[in-house]
Amino acid sequence: GESVGLHLPTLSVQEGDNSIINCAYSNSASDYFIWYKQESGKGPQFIIDIRSNMDKRQGQRVTVLLNKTVKHLSLQIAATQPGDSAVYFCAETPRDDKIIFGKGTRLHILP
Amino acid sequence: NAGVTQTPKFQVLKTGQSMTLQCAQDMNHNSMYWYRQDPGMGLRLIYYSASEGTTDKGEVPNGYNVSRLNKREFSLRLESAAPSQTSVYFCASSVQREIPYEQYFGPGTRLTVT
Repeated sequence: GESVGLHLPTLSVQEGDNSIINCAYSNSASDYFIWYKQESGKGPQFIIDIRSNMDKRQGQRVTVLLNKTVKHLSLQIAATQPGDSAVYFCAETPRDDKIIFGKGTRLHILP
Repeated sequence: NAGVTQTPKFQVLKTGQSMTLQCAQDMNHNSMYWYRQDPGMGLRLIYYSASEGTTDKGEVPNGYNVSRLNKREFSLRLESAAPSQTSVYFCASSVQREIPYEQYFGPGTRLTVT
């Protein structure tokens, strides 16, 4: 069935290091993907998106990689900062008007 | 711009009580959404409004009703609250209900039904 999952529920990263958050999706019809950041007590915040005709997209300190062959998505955060501490989750769109959200990975920054 | 605002922030209800969650956006967005977020689960769509004057069911509509009062406001009503509706509710809006989806979320309403 349709599902979006994350490989690790919690990721601990040293401040200043790069973080890589992974996401597996199961619907090969999905052609658009989004990463969200959710800080404690707040609503999700759009970070970056990517269409299926791309395999990489870069934003400010973030890069999303898409591997359609193995249905895998990753979010890379460069030089992780304390403010990056949050839950990150991916979402996929199996069709234009539907979004399926993953369960989330908590990113914990070590001092 | 305040973005997306929601009221109340917290609410405790007894089983069988009713209440309305309010949501407003000041970004002139056409589409608005109501989600619930439960521990260990991703956001699930309850109802959405693709444009002013229209509403449609999402993934988990049972026990809820919505009203798109105008372009700015989209309310969610629980007619007879049940413990299974204990959750955090998020309202969101976007320019359009199609790719690219850049949804803006409100701060959420934490609802407990006892």
